[in-house]
Amino acid sequence: EVQLVESGGGLVQPGGSLRLSCVASGFTFSGYWMSWVRQPPGKGLEWVANIKEDGSEKYYVDSVKGRFTISRDNAKNSLYLQMNSLRPEDTAVYYCVRGEGWVDHWGQGTLVTVSS
Amino acid sequence: DIQMTQSPSTLSASVGDRVTITCRASQSISNWLAWYQQEPGKAPKFLIYRASSLQSGVPSRFSGSGSGTEFTLTISSLQPDDFATYYCLQYNSYPRTFGQGTKVEIK
Repeated sequence: EVQLVESGGGLVQPGGSLRLSCVASGFTFSGYWMSWVRQPPGKGLEWVANIKEDGSEKYYVDSVKGRFTISRDNAKNSLYLQMNSLRPEDTAVYYCVRGEGWVDHWGQGTLVTVSS
Repeated sequence: DIQMTQSPSTLSASVGDRVTITCRASQSISNWLAWYQQEPGKAPKFLIYRASSLQSGVPSRFSGSGSGTEFTLTISSLQPDDFATYYCLQYNSYPRTFGQGTKVEIK
């Protein structure tokens, strides 16, 4: 069974940093692109970033470019999202998802709240 | 960026109804479109890929169609578990973009 478990969310002040982690199990992690998708409270879904199987390609939505960095450690079956210079509009549940085009499996999400 | 527009935003229907949700792309995306279902407080569930291919395990009452810029998700006979919010996703180009969602409510 595919499982994706996120951690690292919490309350952070504007301008602060946070690192999200996602541990994958139940499939060959190194054989899949992985992505992050977020959802502000009460709002719709927004694709954030994705990374190729070997980490050689990464793509980001414009609103996070230069502030967020996606990375992975295939030896640890783990996906990461380093978030710097956080803004109130980054407040959302962040989902770790499997896939590059369509995304087929989702974690349960971790809530990031940016507020003073 | 490709804009994805869903209609309607909210839909009221009864159990047994046939329901259709439309997703329009601001430019052609061929058939690079997926559909998701999200119940309150839960992660989205993957339903359809390549506009019309049903993901394994998804009930056959769900179907998708379309290509280019106009797509539809149809639920042939609405069941109690189907009252949820539905999103389309284009993966033709970066950044990937979702529609704003369609909430299917009980009439």
